[in-house]
Amino acid sequence: QKEVEQNSGPLSVPEGAIASLNCTYSDRGSQSFFWYRQYSGKSPELIMFIYSNGDKEDGRFTAQLNKASQYVSLLIRDSQPSDSATYLCAVKGNFNKFYFGSGTKLNVKP
Amino acid sequence: EAGVAQSPRYKIIEKRQSVAFWCNPISGHATLYWYQQILGQGPKLLIQFQNNGVVDDSQLPKDRFSAERLKGVDSTLKIQPAKLEDSAVYLCASSFPGPRFDEQYFGPGTRLTVT
Repeated sequence: QKEVEQNSGPLSVPEGAIASLNCTYSDRGSQSFFWYRQYSGKSPELIMFIYSNGDKEDGRFTAQLNKASQYVSLLIRDSQPSDSATYLCAVKGNFNKFYFGSGTKLNVKP
Repeated sequence: EAGVAQSPRYKIIEKRQSVAFWCNPISGHATLYWYQQILGQGPKLLIQFQNNGVVDDSQLPKDRFSAERLKGVDSTLKIQPAKLEDSAVYLCASSFPGPRFDEQYFGPGTRLTVT
């Protein structure tokens, strides 16, 4: 079982819609949760992080964490074509180890 | 503020040859990470340094990979001898000390092709 699981996609949404990206993790002791955006041929860029249950909002992005279900999600409101990228979920587990999922590819269609 | 610097950006070698990658973190960042990202996969942590000490190298294939961070700043990652399956992008990341420890900033990466 992988430490972090994501649907590889692609997830296609029309411009202006809400994109919903999800990830599950296996380590119940995980402490911190991150979303990175990676454009094709580029390196990952941190866009959101969340430590506790509930929602965290930053502009058009909302991260949601449910520790009981070991589930993290990222909502992108008013999706733009420039949001088209691969979104990587990362988790800091026990012993401060970081694990990345394989990413979900998002396509926002004009 | 300058970002994480890496060199070279691209490298093509034959199997069984050796190769080295260099990383210069953001000034003041105490923690440095090396990741391997194979096409279509997420980054996999190879080694994590705190200043010049190793925090975690549990996923580093130590029979062929080595890394060092002299003086707690620059770092080099070496592969000797390289195998075909080492073809990947090698990413260096760094993070602040203290409360912002978890915010990792990635360099542009080195794309390695082993033929």
